[in-house]
Amino acid sequence: ILNVEQSPQSLHVQEGDSTNFTCSFPSSNFYALHWYRWETAKSPEALFVMTLNGDEKKKGRISATLNTKEGYSYLYIKGSQPEDSATYLCASMDSSYKLIFGSGTRLLVRP
Amino acid sequence: DGGITQSPKYLFRKEGQNVTLSCEQNLNHDAMYWYRQDPGQGLRLIYYSQIVNDFQKGDIAEGYSVSREKKESFPLTVTSAQKNPTAFYLCASRTGQKLFFGSGTQLSVL
Repeated sequence: ILNVEQSPQSLHVQEGDSTNFTCSFPSSNFYALHWYRWETAKSPEALFVMTLNGDEKKKGRISATLNTKEGYSYLYIKGSQPEDSATYLCASMDSSYKLIFGSGTRLLVRP
Repeated sequence: DGGITQSPKYLFRKEGQNVTLSCEQNLNHDAMYWYRQDPGQGLRLIYYSQIVNDFQKGDIAEGYSVSREKKESFPLTVTSAQKNPTAFYLCASRTGQKLFFGSGTQLSVL
């Protein structure tokens, strides 16, 4: 994998549904994996930064896992709410602190 | 308030003209980044700087130039060599491994 790839590109779920997104990244020269949340008309905000294989982080109903050996990370949202609607960006940082983003997953949670 | 300020919010460029986008931060962060977003696409890295008087090219540096003479400032110049400059430009600064973003500048070509 040469680029950071995210799937799905967009997702529509019903309020209360749990959902997850995937991020694939180059495992060579890996330093850190970032997740950002970007709401319309706002700036992206950091959710998680993970560095170690097997890392798991949690913030409220949102959690993320990291597998550096195979080059993927999952973001989970439990019991989605309309306010979770946003674009979720994954980014991979190498040892020179170069940070490359995926194209994002756009989530829409219907009430 | 501490934060990152990008100006202007909207900018128009005439054909063959250079324009400079401003990015200022008062967070005392050493590292700063410039990204470009096109409709339906993700953020692509233009330039980044780890420290004053030093910067590196990102994946799409052609047609752009930067300077980092002061810690708090990282201006981006879109030169006439950039043939498709219409895009949304985001600036960020970094502390540790986390980025903090400005509110962006929308550049359009007249």
